[in-house]
Amino acid sequence: KAGVTQTPRYLIKTRGQQVTLSCSPISGHRSVSWYQQTPGQGLQFLFEYFSETQRNKGNFPGRFSGRQFSNSRSEMNVSTLELGDSALYLCASSLGQGSEKLFFGSGTQLSVL
Amino acid sequence: GENVEQHPSTLSVQEGDSAVIKCTYSDSASNYFPWYKQELGKGPQLIIDIRSNVGEKKDQRIAVTLNKTAKHFSLHITETQPEDSAVYFCAARGSSYKLIFGSGTRLLVRP
Repeated sequence: KAGVTQTPRYLIKTRGQQVTLSCSPISGHRSVSWYQQTPGQGLQFLFEYFSETQRNKGNFPGRFSGRQFSNSRSEMNVSTLELGDSALYLCASSLGQGSEKLFFGSGTQLSVL
Repeated sequence: GENVEQHPSTLSVQEGDSAVIKCTYSDSASNYFPWYKQELGKGPQLIIDIRSNVGEKKDQRIAVTLNKTAKHFSLHITETQPEDSAVYFCAARGSSYKLIFGSGTRLLVRP
């Protein structure tokens, strides 16, 4: 069974630009969660999607948004990038909602210059 | 707010020795406690999890204990091997149903 796939693996953007990250969950998994990982703040929850609906949201500004498609694939978007958005963005999938038994992808490393 | 504290931040043990990592959570409504292992260049991998209605769970060389009264939970790795070297994260799911992660423990197993 293929794992969680995140694309692209690396991204370099400049301040003010926007970026879209993609996540393909494990086949059969209907929930996708997104996390931001930084050396200073650790792993922080962004949002969770289940059946194309956002079920939970972390404490991030509205510049961070996401969506889930009918095939459970998910994208997250960050608009008006700031230097502090540089981080590893991790996607995790699970069978059901509620943050149990998450399977993480390898992440997208975003650098904002 | 929901918070999880994790100690120690780094841990170095001799191969074959045991390693213990401890976490404390703040939300008394927390009911699910997973542990993740993250190797360089990879995403976190679930290694064991426990629910609040269970005090201890074992899986081969790995065990987790939970003390709900004290709001503590711990990861125990016995007979450590060099391939156990990684960063370990505890997490707790509280009343908001979000996973709150600890700050991580870098474990080094010396051959």
